[in-house]
Amino acid sequence: RKEVEQDPGPFNVPEGATVAFNCTYSNSASQSFFWYRQDCRKEPKLLMSVYSSGNEDGRFTAQLNRASQYISLLIRDSKLSDSATYLCVVNLNSGYALNFGKGTSLLVTP
Amino acid sequence: NAGVMQNPRHLVRRRGQEARLRCSPMKGHSHVYWYRQLPEEGLKFMVYLQKENIIDESGMPKERFSAEFPKEGPSILRIQQVVRGDSAAYFCASTGGFGLAYNEQFFGPGTRLTVL
Repeated sequence: RKEVEQDPGPFNVPEGATVAFNCTYSNSASQSFFWYRQDCRKEPKLLMSVYSSGNEDGRFTAQLNRASQYISLLIRDSKLSDSATYLCVVNLNSGYALNFGKGTSLLVTP
Repeated sequence: NAGVMQNPRHLVRRRGQEARLRCSPMKGHSHVYWYRQLPEEGLKFMVYLQKENIIDESGMPKERFSAEFPKEGPSILRIQQVVRGDSAAYFCASTGGFGLAYNEQFFGPGTRLTVL
C-alpha cells in the first residue's frame, strides 16, 4: 500500500466549477499535512497547510480527518490558472522528509 | 533572486558517466533536502543535510549516489556511473531550521537529468 494515495485524475472542469480532491495516508503517526501545487515540469509550491480544524484560504478549503486518515482539498469558482497538478503531502513521524502523493491533475476549461 | 537555486537546469549524460547536481539554499537557510521525481511518479525523498552533516539519507540508493553540503559552497548530489533509470527531475529544497511543522520547505526549479 502506498503511503500517500491520490486519484490521479485528470479532472476536467469548466471555469467557475467547484472541484474536490481526496487523499489518504497510511501512517497513523503522521504529524503534518499539506497541499502543494506543481505546474508542468516546474517545482512544487506550497498551496496550504492542513489542520484538523480545517482551514480556508480564499477559494481553497482543506480538511483533515485523522480517524479516517483522509485529507481533502476543495476549490471553488475554478479559474483557468488553477490548472495544475495538486500534490497531497504528509510529514512522517521522522520529522524531516516530506512524503508526496503522485498528484491529481486538474484542467480548467473556458 | 533569493530563492533556492539549482544548476544545471538540464543535464545530459551517457551511461557510465558521472552527474553532479548543485543546490544553493535560500539565503539564511542551512538545511537542504534532495528529492527525485521519476517520470509519472511522485517526488521521493532522498537525503537531508545540514552544513557538513548528513542527517537522514534513508531515501538514497545504496550504491552510486552520494550527497554533501560543505561548509562553503552549494550542496552537491553526485551520481556515479549513471544508468538510464537515473533519468528524472531532481529537486532540492531548503528550510531555516529543525522541525517541519514550522518550516516550509522551499523548492528549487530542479535539474532534469537525461541519461542516453
